[in-house]
Amino acid sequence: GIQVEQSPPDLILQEGANSTLRCNFSDSVNNLQWFHQNPWGQLINLFYIPSGTKQNGRLSATTVATERYSLLYISSSQTTDSGVYFCAVVTGNQFYFGTGTSLTVIP
Amino acid sequence: DAGVIQSPRHEVTEMGQEVTLRCKPISGHDYLFWYRQTMMRGLELLIYFNNNVPIDDSGMPEDRFSAKMPNASFSTLKIQPSEPRDSAVYFCASSFSRRGNEKLFFGSGTQLSVL
Repeated sequence: GIQVEQSPPDLILQEGANSTLRCNFSDSVNNLQWFHQNPWGQLINLFYIPSGTKQNGRLSATTVATERYSLLYISSSQTTDSGVYFCAVVTGNQFYFGTGTSLTVIP
Repeated sequence: DAGVIQSPRHEVTEMGQEVTLRCKPISGHDYLFWYRQTMMRGLELLIYFNNNVPIDDSGMPEDRFSAKMPNASFSTLKIQPSEPRDSAVYFCASSFSRRGNEKLFFGSGTQLSVL
């Protein structure tokens, strides 16, 4: 199956800092989605972004499908941003998840 | 819509017992997925359905695991007999296949502990 790699694996930020999370994938995909798993374990869909750029408040995402990567930007981080961020790529009807970036935002 | 609904939220059972996890997908979604999450293996796809039909069950660990989707609004994942290594968080997720609307939505998960 398709390989999905996320970096960095772990990230610690001071509240208010900005960060960029990266997702690389090994083959052409139909779409790509970003998820946030909060400290209580709930998985929330942040973005459906097969290509281009989208913004939602302090979060934005860019996917360059031709170069097989996606970036998730978090600006002015808050403690509530803590958790694990997963990207998932879709080929056929299958979702392939990366291993995630664990983000800790310190007050 | 209330989102994907899973029950129970927590399940503690003894080795050898039967466990049944339940899922109600978002109304109108035609794909349903069962995932298992552990620290060691991350998120693993167990099985997925399209229009109530199992499409790929290659992720099901062994014959002790079975899944059904008798109608568009209900699915079960059964483990019989359960073993301690089955302890994990089991997620159900659903999506809609129409292009541009394939966002995947997860339920809150079932935390399973097999003693």
